[in-house]
Amino acid sequence: DVKVTQSSRYLVKRTGEKVFLECVQDMDHENMFWYRQDPGLGLRLIYFSYDVKMKEKGDIPEGYSVSREKKERFSLILESASTNQTSMYLCASSPHEGYTFGSGTRLTVV
Amino acid sequence: GENVEQHPSTLSVQEGDSAVIKCTYSDSASNYFPWYKQELGKGPQLIIDIRSNVGEKKDQRIAVTLNKTAKHFSLHITETQPEDSAVYFCAGGSYIPTFGRGTSLIVHP
Repeated sequence: DVKVTQSSRYLVKRTGEKVFLECVQDMDHENMFWYRQDPGLGLRLIYFSYDVKMKEKGDIPEGYSVSREKKERFSLILESASTNQTSMYLCASSPHEGYTFGSGTRLTVV
Repeated sequence: GENVEQHPSTLSVQEGDSAVIKCTYSDSASNYFPWYKQELGKGPQLIIDIRSNVGEKKDQRIAVTLNKTAKHFSLHITETQPEDSAVYFCAGGSYIPTFGRGTSLIVHP
């Protein structure tokens, strides 16, 4: 089974902190994605990457950046955390169609 | 871009009943339509998908139908069980899918 592992299930950070969310996949997938999930809003795409060192903005990239230095790892960075970034963050990987998601990181910014 | 709408937002059924969740999409070029199930505390899991050259696909108690002319697709779950209780998401698009807002399915024993 493909596994997508997110490093933390729960995180609490202070406003203004720089936050790193890590994601690792073990099936050599080219494509990796970061979504945030909020009640009533579904899944919204933040950033995605289709190759090492490549990145593309999704629908809501403001306040976020990403890094993909190795094929298996895709990091989401909150440059200066704000309370409106409190959310569930989901990482996914895909060979082409169909995603495998991680279990999510619930981030609370206080 | 693609716009995917999903209904209903909440669906409550008795164990053994059928459940149907419907999605519409806007982009006629969309060719791949997956469905994901998200259980409490877990990430979404792909349960079934359909491509635009197929009208229906079944996998045991679940099935998906696609009407390309009307631009809608549906998830059908028969003989529902309590473990079917979850949030279900549809998605549509080509390379990068657009997700619906989800349907919370509650199956009462």
